[in-house]
Amino acid sequence: KAGVTQTPRYLIKTRGQQVTLSCSPISGHRSVSWYQQTPGQGLQFLFEYFSETQRNKGNFPGRFSGRQFSNSRSEMNVSTLELGDSALYLCASSLAGRVADEQYFGPGTRLTVT
Amino acid sequence: SQKIEQNSEALNIQEGKTATLTCNYTNYSPAYLQWYRQDPGRGPVFLLLIRENEKEKRKERLKVTFDTTLKQSLFHITASQPADSATYLCALDMEYGNKLVFGAGTILRVKS
Repeated sequence: KAGVTQTPRYLIKTRGQQVTLSCSPISGHRSVSWYQQTPGQGLQFLFEYFSETQRNKGNFPGRFSGRQFSNSRSEMNVSTLELGDSALYLCASSLAGRVADEQYFGPGTRLTVT
Repeated sequence: SQKIEQNSEALNIQEGKTATLTCNYTNYSPAYLQWYRQDPGRGPVFLLLIRENEKEKRKERLKVTFDTTLKQSLFHITASQPADSATYLCALDMEYGNKLVFGAGTILRVKS
């Protein structure tokens, strides 16, 4: 079956703008988690959605938000972009989002803020 | 809060040798520990999961151990190959909330 897909793969934005990233999970997976990966901080958890509800949230400012649709597809939005938001944004899907569930990651969206 | 420590320096080994990567954690003892592989420019790929009541788990050339007393997991790749070169991440569940915390990862380079 098809893997996790993320669009777009690359994005260049200017400071102050906003951006929306999209993630399509593996068919049948109801949990989608988002991560930010930077060389300095590694992989950091942003939030997790399950059945259209945000179930867990990491320590990121309110500029970072997300949502999940009834077909489990998810979007994350970053408003008022800052230079420090430049990162690889990864989404991962799993069957039910339990910590014992294997997570399947997408290829990521590389965001560059100038 | 939970802290995870993985070898910050890259591990360079010769083809055919066993690579051993370390994952140490502080505070809360996780119920589950997972290992992932990540290649440059790609998302992590799940390798193995080990539960707190399991001492060891194997999958082909991979072996993971979990010592809750030492608060440490070791990840072994036997008969390593250049294709095993990648960054390896360990991930633990948090004490509160249903989410994983990832270590910074260790770069493994296998030379032929």
